Amino acid sequence: DIQMTQSPSSLSASVGDTVTITCRASQTIDIYLSWYQQKPGKAPKFLIYAASKLQSGVPSRFSGSGSGTDFSLTISNLQPEDFATYYCQQSYQMPTFGQGTKVEFK
Amino acid sequence: EVQLVESGGGLVQPGGSLRLSCAVSGFTFRSYSMAWVRQAPGKGLEWVAHISQDGSQEESAASLKGRFIVSRDNARESLYLQMNSLRADDTAIYYCARWRGHQSEFDLWGQGTLVTVSS
Repeated sequence: DIQMTQSPSSLSASVGDTVTITCRASQTIDIYLSWYQQKPGKAPKFLIYAASKLQSGVPSRFSGSGSGTDFSLTISNLQPEDFATYYCQQSYQMPTFGQGTKVEFK
Repeated sequence: EVQLVESGGGLVQPGGSLRLSCAVSGFTFRSYSMAWVRQAPGKGLEWVAHISQDGSQEESAASLKGRFIVSRDNARESLYLQMNSLRADDTAIYYCARWRGHQSEFDLWGQGTLVTVSS
């Protein structure tokens, strides 16, 4: 299985900040990388696919980048509704997820 | 309105079986691959299984060792997960998700159904 490692595991931020979450794959996955947002007690919400393509309806303050083994999710101008846990997922082989990054209020 | 509604979760004893269902509406079910993803309490997401549009191809996580079987009924617009020989570490919320196919992503999710394996 391809292992996905996210960092940090958690971070504290304020409204208006820019935050970046990184995701590293244990082997190259080209650009087969997606990002999801999950709020407590809710199902995950699909945000980004193919490393950098924004799903329809997702605010443009979300952006993704990377290829190969190293990827990042950046949230600019953090909004109150953005405080959540974020997961990366590779689809190069059988799907695997990162362990999650919790974005908390500072 | 697009909806994926899971059902069938509950409390089951170790070694028991359970069948989860996912009823879909709001999109052409037969045109999409589907998947199950689970989340143990306080833990991350884990892909369980997926199945092709016509049900002819299905795969499940190697860690499950063949205990779980995914199936679908396109006439009923429903997805299923038969879970056998359940263990305590199968305790999780099980999500039904629309899967955009090979080398792709899960773009729609149900609200999940909780399975608790305990004596």
